[in-house]
Amino acid sequence: LAKTTQPISMDSYEGQEVNITCSHNNIATNDYITWYQQFPSQGPRFIIQGYKTKVTNEVASLFIPADRKSSTLSLPRVSLSDTAVYYCLVGSDTGRRALTFGSGTRLQVQP
Amino acid sequence: GAVVSQHPSWVICKSGTSVKIECRSLDFQATTMFWYRQFPKQSLMLMATSNEGSKATYEQGVEKDKFLINHASLTLSTLTVTSAHPEDSSFYICSARDSFLTSGSYEQYFGPGTRLTVT
Repeated sequence: LAKTTQPISMDSYEGQEVNITCSHNNIATNDYITWYQQFPSQGPRFIIQGYKTKVTNEVASLFIPADRKSSTLSLPRVSLSDTAVYYCLVGSDTGRRALTFGSGTRLQVQP
Repeated sequence: GAVVSQHPSWVICKSGTSVKIECRSLDFQATTMFWYRQFPKQSLMLMATSNEGSKATYEQGVEKDKFLINHASLTLSTLTVTSAHPEDSSFYICSARDSFLTSGSYEQYFGPGTRLTVT
């Protein structure tokens, strides 16, 4: 399974855009890139998933360059409630294989 | 999105006793479910893969006789921590995947987690 590398922590202020980059140099052809958010004492929550180029939903955007060796999660205008740990995961859907979590990025949003 | 539930959400037990945690997929069938463990300030660590109707597959270093997994139906998997000790105190999270054919997604759905405290 492709290993991912993310910054351990990031700080931001309310209203700012936050970009979290994840490196996955040995991503396989069939692998998708998925980002999850986790609050303390809760299970991870799906944010966004993509394979290449750009994906956007109501909460975030995901930018994936052509070589797919990295990806960037973009959170527009963060609020205090966005303070959480964000995980970048890489894997393909075999149906029977679990996603492997890296260390994640602890985002702290301040007023 | 699909919903995965866990019960109980938290449990306190005495050292030496056993605790069972249930994981249910509420609106989809899951032939495969996954169990993770998370210690404070750490990432999720995969413990085992639970396959409906067959034996679970455990990750290296996870004692299969201590962490008993049963996946008796397409919507229920259970994790039993046997002879629990204080070092087993952790946050246990289950997860499941829906079929891409039915959901159109590769998303892996996570339960809310169960906080186990062994005294």
